Amino acid sequence: SQQGEEDPQALSIQEGENATMNCSYKTSINNLQWYRQNSGRGLVHLILIRSNEREKHSGRLRVTLDTSKKSSSLLITASRAADTASYFCATDAEWDQGGSEKLVFGKGTKLTVNP
Amino acid sequence: DGGITQSPKYLFRKEGQNVTLSCEQNLNHDAMYWYRQDPGQGLRLIYYSQIVNDFQKGDIAEGYSVSREKKESFPLTVTSAQKNPTAFYLCASSIVRRSKQPQHFGDGTRLSIL
Repeated sequence: SQQGEEDPQALSIQEGENATMNCSYKTSINNLQWYRQNSGRGLVHLILIRSNEREKHSGRLRVTLDTSKKSSSLLITASRAADTASYFCATDAEWDQGGSEKLVFGKGTKLTVNP
Repeated sequence: DGGITQSPKYLFRKEGQNVTLSCEQNLNHDAMYWYRQDPGQGLRLIYYSQIVNDFQKGDIAEGYSVSREKKESFPLTVTSAQKNPTAFYLCASSIVRRSKQPQHFGDGTRLSIL
């Protein structure tokens, strides 16, 4: 079953605008990751935020985490055409009694940045 | 440059045929994973391996098989028992199999039915 769900499913903006994508999840997590996927390519890890962190920055990316609302947001500032891609959140989930975890990916937000 | 190489990029399967997708990494990672991605969907875990000669089923293992004879290699076989194999297959690796470790992905193999 899917743990994280991104919103919106698709987002179209103009170059220079900010893009905000949201991720909601159902159960407690230890950390949450955001990935980017260009069309027809593999996923690229963007940022990881731990459950005891509220905000994290990486270049033009800003991720927030609200564990009380079980949600996270990814903000891309001053977007560029090259930011056009799908963005996925991934949350950890208990996997087996050995204590190891797996990542559960949402369905993604498809971002289009128009020049 | 270190990374994950998947081949072929495109693959076509005939009815009743088994096909094998290759995944090789030179990142010296212990953990490797296979995911399936359908259009507009997230990734679903097929199999994973934490160490050489060990692998475990994921959420959708039926109709698939894997081997892990070398640390660098984790091939996936799509068997004839998999009735709906058309999808984009992604291989990934991480230093260890813990969710706080980021996963590194290959560029995928797109499998279609002839």
